[in-house]
Amino acid sequence: DADVTQTPRNRITKTGKRIMLECSQTKGHDRMYWYRQDPGLGLRLIYYSFDVKDINKGEISDGYSVSRQAQAKFSLSLESAIPNQTALYFCATSGPYSNQPQHFGDGTRLSIL
Amino acid sequence: AQTVTQSQPEMSVQEAETVTLSCTYDTSESDYYLFWYKQPPSRQMILVIRQEAYKQQNATENRFSVNFQKAAKSFSLKISDSQLGDAAMYFCAHITQGGSEKLVFGKGTKLTVNP
Repeated sequence: DADVTQTPRNRITKTGKRIMLECSQTKGHDRMYWYRQDPGLGLRLIYYSFDVKDINKGEISDGYSVSRQAQAKFSLSLESAIPNQTALYFCATSGPYSNQPQHFGDGTRLSIL
Repeated sequence: AQTVTQSQPEMSVQEAETVTLSCTYDTSESDYYLFWYKQPPSRQMILVIRQEAYKQQNATENRFSVNFQKAAKSFSLKISDSQLGDAAMYFCAHITQGGSEKLVFGKGTKLTVNP
């Protein structure tokens, strides 16, 4: 089983819909992250959480919200989806030290029509 | 602010040859770490190699090695004996010790391996 699991793997939805992307991990890590990948732009940080009570905005948080339900679960919501939020979304986790690599889920490809 | 620049949007290499992917970064911090991630068509993000800034010795992982030039803020990835399975997007990333501790990615280099 994957250490970091994202659901759904793919999603097509319409403008204005509320969408939740879910992430769960079995690595026991406190730190969790949500990234967005667009062609030619690399990965950009949306939100991150260093423990259950800690939530921080990343580089591009507008239009998104998150919930850290437990150490193992970190959800990303789009309250009212718009077409320019069409992208590949990644969840990642890491240990408590900066030199530890981040471990990524397989991504959710989201298309908003 | 931290920035990471990958100046080569695309590169190609012949199977069994060697290729070097470039990465430069900008930071005012002295303690930081650098990473290369690989993203094959399956879209997984896979760690290739990492380097601690305080280490002068270049990191090596099998056919993958880096050329870390701290003064020049350069962190290139060398792939030796290229294989078809090396075809992927490669992302350079940087994180500082302390401070925000956020991983910042470059825009990526698409590597094609020709048989």
